[in-house]
Amino acid sequence: NAGVTQTPKFQVLKTGQSMTLQCAQDMNHNSMYWYRQDPGMGLRLIYYSASEGTTDKGEVPNGYNVSRLNKREFSLRLESAAPSQTSVYFCASSEIRSGQGRNEKLFFGSGTQLSVL
Amino acid sequence: EDKVVQSPLSLVVHEGDTVTLNCSYEVTNFRSLLWYKQEKKAPTFLFMLTSSGIEKKSGRLSSILDKKELSSILNITATQTGDSAIYLCAVNSGGSNYKLTFGKGTLLTVNP
Repeated sequence: NAGVTQTPKFQVLKTGQSMTLQCAQDMNHNSMYWYRQDPGMGLRLIYYSASEGTTDKGEVPNGYNVSRLNKREFSLRLESAAPSQTSVYFCASSEIRSGQGRNEKLFFGSGTQLSVL
Repeated sequence: EDKVVQSPLSLVVHEGDTVTLNCSYEVTNFRSLLWYKQEKKAPTFLFMLTSSGIEKKSGRLSSILDKKELSSILNITATQTGDSAIYLCAVNSGGSNYKLTFGKGTLLTVNP
């Protein structure tokens, strides 16, 4: 049971280059998230997808786009990378139950260390 | 804007000490507060506290939610070097989608 899998683990880009971070979960979770983590800033939400077919902006969406390809996969794209996007990126998923219960507990991937020169 | 503040930002202790980490929050519609431990890579879940479950304990770790003071503490007794990590507090403020607002974390270093 792999949980949440992110690729790549490390990436170095030049300013202006584009790339896509991939994320997949095998827990049949409805909701998926992309966070970035910077020193002294904690985890900040970039985009999230509450369910397949929907995406919404988080706290710091500028410079990013996302695609919820299917229930398992949620990708994050940098169209024109900037040095300010140097960060560690985490994908996460959670099971949001409708009706009586809910579960906010997030399961995180192992992260992508991105450097933009 | 929802806000989660953790203190201290960093802490250095010796093995065997007891530590208390703090988390305070200002959110529009509190649903739950979660604690995570982050070592080298991904944060891992520790506890979730809600209005119906304000105290949790697991081994040497325990956590209490004070809804009146809008805060929570995470206690670690008899600390070990393996407890060295960043401890993250997050609050779910509800709404139609369940988003967590994270604090900046407390970096705990336990020296032998």
